[in-house]
Amino acid sequence: DQQVKQNSPSLSVQEGRISILNCDYTNSMFDYFLWYKKYPAEGPTFLISISSIKDKNEDGRFTVFLNKSAKHLSLHIVPSQPGDSAVYFCAAPPGGTSYGKLTFGQGTILTVHP
Amino acid sequence: DAGVIQSPRHEVTEMGQEVTLRCKPISGHNSLFWYRQTMMRGLELLIYFNNNVPIDDSGMPEDRFSAKMPNASFSTLKIQPSEPRDSAVYFCASSLRQEQYFGPGTRLTVT
Repeated sequence: DQQVKQNSPSLSVQEGRISILNCDYTNSMFDYFLWYKKYPAEGPTFLISISSIKDKNEDGRFTVFLNKSAKHLSLHIVPSQPGDSAVYFCAAPPGGTSYGKLTFGQGTILTVHP
Repeated sequence: DAGVIQSPRHEVTEMGQEVTLRCKPISGHNSLFWYRQTMMRGLELLIYFNNNVPIDDSGMPEDRFSAKMPNASFSTLKIQPSEPRDSAVYFCASSLRQEQYFGPGTRLTVT
């Protein structure tokens, strides 16, 4: 039972354009979400997060949107740069105040072409 | 500040040998996680500790795998005996709140 799903295995975008990475979840107890970026031969790097009390969180070129009714979140990267090419994972910890283990999506490979 | 430190970065061993992976979490973090990444299964949690106590080891594949955290600054993941299907990248991560910070990983190859 995959509680966090990234249905697009890959995404290809031209430099300077917007990249939109999507993530769906099924567990209504999830109330906090994180995005990680992973380069080959490196560990995942925390990118941005959002609490369910918000519907948007922005950090520079990165914005995460949360639609609780649809159980959907998305990561927007504007403008996209070749250095953004990596695997992106969305993740969620257990609901409530528990910090415990993260449930990760399968990841989306983003390729930004010069 | 140093991030999560893992050693070795690469390990090649023969089937049947014991393998020990090491992790030093970020100072001040109270949770530590061991993950395994493979092409088939993606990133899967093996075990995690909170305040040096194992909380959830349901992801540990079988009795050949064991993990310890003797103190707040050190953890080990041991595989004995190792098998070719254990070949993967093993990540350690630590956290204080929801955000987990990952080490660079250990690439294990069992021949």
